[in-house]
Amino acid sequence: IAGITQAPTSQILAAGRRMTLRCTQDMRHNAMYWYRQDLGLGLRLIHYSNTAGTTGKGEVPDGYSVSRANTDDFPLTLASAVPSQTSVYFCASSPDRGSEQFFGPGTRLTVL
Amino acid sequence: GQSLEQPSEVTAVEGAIVQINCTYQTSGFYGLSWYQQHDGGAPTFLSYNALDGLEETGRFSSFLSRSDSYGYLLLQELQMKDSASYFCAVRDRSNTGKLIFGQGTTLQVKP
Repeated sequence: IAGITQAPTSQILAAGRRMTLRCTQDMRHNAMYWYRQDLGLGLRLIHYSNTAGTTGKGEVPDGYSVSRANTDDFPLTLASAVPSQTSVYFCASSPDRGSEQFFGPGTRLTVL
Repeated sequence: GQSLEQPSEVTAVEGAIVQINCTYQTSGFYGLSWYQQHDGGAPTFLSYNALDGLEETGRFSSFLSRSDSYGYLLLQELQMKDSASYFCAVRDRSNTGKLIFGQGTTLQVKP
């Protein structure tokens, strides 16, 4: 793989179900981010990690959790999905916290 | 808190010049970035201004005035492929690397 990948590409999920969105980068970037994008609201940060082993909350963290066990992977978990979490989710990474961010292709999630 | 404002839509013709403005309100500031997004795909980085003035990268330029809390993206010699959404973003005041994005400007380039 090259760059940053996300899985699945799209998913339809029943409300109340647990779901993990996967994000992997092979650029050895220290910092990683999860955003959601809703029509008319731009990109909003959910959680971030400046280095493996550390995470932090963004603008809209409620209902989501993340982990950063190693440099390459940064999964986002919805413990009990709700319809308001229907969105497009983008993962991003950057060499360090001050650098430009590289985005993955996104996961389109629909919660019914 | 921090907020950014940009026009929701801009239309221009091929070969023209277009300017997309961004005004921001923030209690701390570490620079203004611009990202491009085609048809809901992955946003891609265009430019970054840490200091006042103009940064030029090919057909694209970005300007920042910290005293006016204002910046813009200038696209010259517009091409059809420039039709996309453009987002300005500021780095969070905590300087943790978090970006706060504007709502985006949809640019439509017409023949």
